[in-house]
Amino acid sequence: SYELTQPPSVSVSPGQTARIACSADALPKQYASWYQQKPGQAPVVVIYKDNERPSGIPERFSGSSLGTTATLTISGVQAEDEADYYCQSADSSGTYVIFGGGTRLTVL
Amino acid sequence: QVQLQESGPGLVKPSETLSLTCTVSGYSISSGYYWGWIRQTPGKGLEWIGSMYHSGRTNYNPSLKSRVAISVDTSKNQLSLKLTSVTAADTAIYYCTRLAYVVLVPAWFDTWGQGTLVTVSS
Repeated sequence: SYELTQPPSVSVSPGQTARIACSADALPKQYASWYQQKPGQAPVVVIYKDNERPSGIPERFSGSSLGTTATLTISGVQAEDEADYYCQSADSSGTYVIFGGGTRLTVL
Repeated sequence: QVQLQESGPGLVKPSETLSLTCTVSGYSISSGYYWGWIRQTPGKGLEWIGSMYHSGRTNYNPSLKSRVAISVDTSKNQLSLKLTSVTAADTAIYYCTRLAYVVLVPAWFDTWGQGTLVTVSS
């Protein structure tokens, strides 16, 4: 089965830059999106189409995709950014939705 | 502002059918986008269940396809989920979602409901 691979956890200090990677063979052909989920809340899209940021999402959130890896970058991390982050894409055929396993971002 | 609200039983018995409804406000289902469901087992990740266009075109997760049916009622601006023969493994938070496509490929979920917990237990 097709999978998106993310690290289980990432830790950074406030003000530093956090980078969360998402890897899959089909990423060169498919867009990646990223979702932030805080405890007890529904996920919220923070990046779509690899690097587009929805209105209302702070500029410190950015995305990129190169080859088989998509990356979510959070510059100047704040305590409020502590959350689970999920990448999402489509399988190689462009038919089915796939999610990564999620990355817990801890702000030290 | 588009809002999605899930409703349905919070407890379902094993082997029975899970049925949920999502009421959409602030946007007409008939205007576009795909509409569907995602679930999240407690303490774990997200699993896409399936999505449907108002015209009737559906797309299901292959791992659930044999048990899932998603339908849309444009007159009520609602969508529904039915999952048959449930087991404890189907216990999860179920989210109603709006899915954007780009060039016929599912791209991103721009709107989510708050989610509803469904427990499968006798």
